Amino acid sequence: SQQGEEDPQALSIQEGENATMNCSYKTSINNLQWYRQNSGRGLVHLILIRSNEREKHSGRLRVTLDTSKKSSSLLITASRAADTASYFCATTTGGGNKLTFGTGTQLKVEL
Amino acid sequence: DSGVTQTPKHLITATGQRVTLRCSPRSGDLSVYWYQQSLDQGLQFLIQYYNGEERAKGNILERFSAQQFPDLHSELNLSSLELGDSALYFCASSGRGTPSGNTIYFGEGSWLTVV
Repeated sequence: SQQGEEDPQALSIQEGENATMNCSYKTSINNLQWYRQNSGRGLVHLILIRSNEREKHSGRLRVTLDTSKKSSSLLITASRAADTASYFCATTTGGGNKLTFGTGTQLKVEL
Repeated sequence: DSGVTQTPKHLITATGQRVTLRCSPRSGDLSVYWYQQSLDQGLQFLIQYYNGEERAKGNILERFSAQQFPDLHSELNLSSLELGDSALYFCASSGRGTPSGNTIYFGEGSWLTVV
């Protein structure tokens, strides 16, 4: 079963624009991680935000977490064609470390 | 490169057959996870091992089994294969850092096609 729902399902923007993806989840979490997947390739870890954190930055990435709304957002600033990929949020809950993935957002960055 | 190595990268086999997927975790990582990604089910957690012991079980079919060896590599065995088992199978590992805050790193996956 999917823990998270991502919005939008697909996003198409021009190079240089910002891209924002949202993730909602259902239960209390330990942390939330964002991954990128190029078509048919492996999952690349982007950033981890813990449940007691509200915002985190990594290069052109900014992640926010609102545990009261059970939601997170990933902002990619100054997007590049190479950012074209699917982006997934994934949460860990309880005492374990297994990830429950969202449905993903397909981002297309056009030149 | 995540440091997680999976073999084979691609595999085509017939229904009813059995295959073994292999995973070497990142150096020093004690936990190994297996995930399945298919078009209809998305990314699904199958099973986790920690230092050789099964730690958590997800949506893993009885026809599937896994183990983690003393050298920490892991194998996922898929038997009596059906067309619907065609998917991308990921191995992931974690283990450095605090238990609740571990980053989980994924391999490139093994593409399984059942014909």
